[in-house]
Amino acid sequence: DAGVTQSPTHLIKTRGQQVTLRCSPKSGHDTVSWYQQALGQGPQFIFQYYEEEERQRGNFPDRFSGHQFPNYSSELNVNALLLGDSALYLCASSLQDRELSPLHFGNGTRLTVT
Amino acid sequence: GDSVTQMEGPVTLSEEAFLTINCTYTATGYPSLFWYVQYPGEGLQLLLKATKADDKGSNKGFEATYRKETTSFHLEKGSVQVSDSAVYFCALKSEGQNFVFGPGTRLSVLP
Repeated sequence: DAGVTQSPTHLIKTRGQQVTLRCSPKSGHDTVSWYQQALGQGPQFIFQYYEEEERQRGNFPDRFSGHQFPNYSSELNVNALLLGDSALYLCASSLQDRELSPLHFGNGTRLTVT
Repeated sequence: GDSVTQMEGPVTLSEEAFLTINCTYTATGYPSLFWYVQYPGEGLQLLLKATKADDKGSNKGFEATYRKETTSFHLEKGSVQVSDSAVYFCALKSEGQNFVFGPGTRLSVLP
């Protein structure tokens, strides 16, 4: 049973560039959420995708956008990168029709902006 | 909005010591409560959960009881092992909302 997979594992970008992170959910899951985890802090909710639409969004600027594909996989795009975007980006999958479905996390993509 | 507060770390214990990590929350409704654990280089894993007041979640020797009167969900383990060294996150989820995580507490267990 494949868990949540994310790619790439590490990424180094320059300020002002754009980046795309990818996520495949756990088998059988239909909902993907993205979180940003700064060093020494808890995960902060970016947004959630279900049925290829953004369903909920946290307090992140429009530079952060996403997409969900028909196979439930998802991408996170960040434009005009800032130094402060350096963090671990976590993807989590769950089941939409189970309100208390726990989140299953991938191992994350470590983004460094220089 | 909803929020979670955890005791600051790091917490350093000797093997077989008793562990308590405090967690309190603020929520407008009646959220479900969770503990997640993050081992080095990995994502978060669900450790245990409780969905209503007085429920006790348990897993791998860890326990936490949902205390509505004190808005708390403290994590406990009677005898920690070196392999328990990790970062522990308390989290809540209110109906129709996304998960909200605390800042995490780093636990180091020395042999």
